[in-house]
Amino acid sequence: EAGVTQFPSHSVIEKGQTVTLRCDPISGHDNLYWYRRVMGKEIKFLLHFVKESKQDESGMPNNRFLAERTGGTYSTLKVQPAELEDSGVYFCASSQDGAGMTGGYNEQFFGPGTRLTVL
Amino acid sequence: RKEVEQDPGPFNVPEGATVAFNCTYSNSASQSFFWYRQDCRKEPKLLMSVYSSGNEDGRFTAQLNRASQYISLLIRDSKLSDSATYLCVVIRNGNNRLAFGKGNQVVVIP
Repeated sequence: EAGVTQFPSHSVIEKGQTVTLRCDPISGHDNLYWYRRVMGKEIKFLLHFVKESKQDESGMPNNRFLAERTGGTYSTLKVQPAELEDSGVYFCASSQDGAGMTGGYNEQFFGPGTRLTVL
Repeated sequence: RKEVEQDPGPFNVPEGATVAFNCTYSNSASQSFFWYRQDCRKEPKLLMSVYSSGNEDGRFTAQLNRASQYISLLIRDSKLSDSATYLCVVIRNGNNRLAFGKGNQVVVIP
């Protein structure tokens, strides 16, 4: 079974430009998450989709970030306009719906990430 | 205050030795606890869940101390392939957001 895939693997853009990151979750996973790791910091939650609906977007840093999941399949995360502090690794994760095997947690499977560099 | 605190290390460990490290979490409403493993420039992968009673998976033992709000991981008989960053992760009651620590970098030396 294919895992979570992300595209592109790397992106280098200039400040002020727009970048769109894509995530394809594991087939059948209703839950899709975006996380980000800025250099020197811990991985931080950005937002959570259940199917096409935003369940929790409390981690989105500002309105330059727009996430969509039309049709409840793949998701895109657009940064417009990009700033220097947006550089980092953007991870996508997906999980099944319903109660998990271990105390209600359904494991979140991570994609390989997109490494974004804003110059 | 950060939700999850970890001493990043690195922890340089001779092959075959035992290494232990822990993390602390700040929110007493935290409900679920995990150790994730992340290899260099790779994605995090679930290593094991952590239960109050303590749990073991082969050479790995995890413990949770709710009273003191810390989680520990012990690796016995370290292998070169254990070299990685070990991320302490918690979930707060009522949501699915993973809160990560910075990670403990382990380097197993031949």
